[in-house]
Amino acid sequence: GQGVEQPDNLMSVEGTFARVNCTYSTSGFNGLSWYQQREGHAPVFLSYVVLDGLKDSGHFSTFLSRSNGYSYLLLTELQIKDSASYLCAVSHPNYNVLYFGSGTKLTVEP
Amino acid sequence: GPKVLQIPSHQIIDMGQMVTLNCDPVSNHLYFYWYKQILGQQMEFLVNFYNGKVMEKSKLFKDQFSVERPDGSYFTLKIQPTALEDSAVYFCASSLPGQGYTEVFFGKGTRLTVV
Repeated sequence: GQGVEQPDNLMSVEGTFARVNCTYSTSGFNGLSWYQQREGHAPVFLSYVVLDGLKDSGHFSTFLSRSNGYSYLLLTELQIKDSASYLCAVSHPNYNVLYFGSGTKLTVEP
Repeated sequence: GPKVLQIPSHQIIDMGQMVTLNCDPVSNHLYFYWYKQILGQQMEFLVNFYNGKVMEKSKLFKDQFSVERPDGSYFTLKIQPTALEDSAVYFCASSLPGQGYTEVFFGKGTRLTVV
């Protein structure tokens, strides 16, 4: 089966940081993607990782540990507009099929 | 950037009727997908379509569901007959083919309400 788990909610403060965690247990692995989704909108691609370690993309950074089935998305210098749901998705080797977690709703407070 | 277009954005239909959801994928993409998201819940994979055929499908892709892309036009998801539990947002997506990962682009979704 395909198991991708995320916490439901996360709160943080403007100007600080937030770390969105994701654990997975899937029958195949061809990398892990992070998407941002606002209510009533399409998921927007943020980052893709397939190698272990930290990938720094400025406002967003992503970490992957394949041996632990774990990834996180780190958002720094938070702004109110970063409030959204963040979806973790494991890519299966067959045809790029994505298996999503339930998403973490991030609320950034002033 | 590349866009996946979905028509219509909302659809209300009586239970038992047929509905067709339309998707215009990114022009040079060859992998097509449908995902289902019930309000407030997880995005779930339904089906993948390539070279005129269903390549992968999940348990959610019931016998009442079918997909096609006739003559390179819209990629469609047809539900016949519809049931109340089919109410959800249906997202179409597309990507380039390849051995490795290629970015998957999503449309804005069609909100289907079965009454």
